[in-house]
Amino acid sequence: KAGVTQTPRYLIKTRGQQVTLSCSPISGHRSVSWYQQTPGQGLQFLFEYFSETQRNKGNFPGRFSGRQFSNSRSEMNVSTLELGDSALYLCASSSGLGPGAFFGQGTRLTVV
Amino acid sequence: AQSVTQPDIHITVSEGASLELRCNYSYGATPYLFWYVQSPGQGLQLLLKYFSGDTLVQGIKGFEAEFKRSQSSFNLRKPSVHWSDAAEYFCAVGSYSGAGSYQLTFGKGTKLSVIP
Repeated sequence: KAGVTQTPRYLIKTRGQQVTLSCSPISGHRSVSWYQQTPGQGLQFLFEYFSETQRNKGNFPGRFSGRQFSNSRSEMNVSTLELGDSALYLCASSSGLGPGAFFGQGTRLTVV
Repeated sequence: AQSVTQPDIHITVSEGASLELRCNYSYGATPYLFWYVQSPGQGLQLLLKYFSGDTLVQGIKGFEAEFKRSQSSFNLRKPSVHWSDAAEYFCAVGSYSGAGSYQLTFGKGTKLSVIP
């Protein structure tokens, strides 16, 4: 059974640009959550999608958005990148029927 | 609001020694508790979880954790550490956010170094 797949693994972007990250959950899982990990703030919840609907959202600005497709794959978009957006972005996959999730390897985003 | 505290930022142990990583949580309802491990540049791997029942839970890689409601703690233990256990360990509490959604709130992590 394949795990959670995130692409790309590494990204370098310039301030002001936008970026899209992708996550394919474990087969059969309908929930995808996104987390941002930085040395200063640690792991912070961004949002959760379940059956193509955003079900929960963390305390991040509107520049951070996402969507989920009918096959449960999810994308996260960050517009007008700032230096502070440099982080490891982790995708978590679950059935969506309870707490806990399986994480992908993450996408390391560097904003220069 | 829920929160998780991992008091130890960095712990160093000798290979073969026992290990205990501390975790304290704050949550108004029955907590769902987790321990994850992260190797450098990698994602998070689930070690074990506690939802209810037996307060001593067994996980992968020989780890176990004990839930103590009176102390709001969920400490992770391993009787004999291996060099490959060197990594960062995160404790998390799963909380219900409404509309069927749960989210994880993580502690800041404890970095484990192992001396050969």
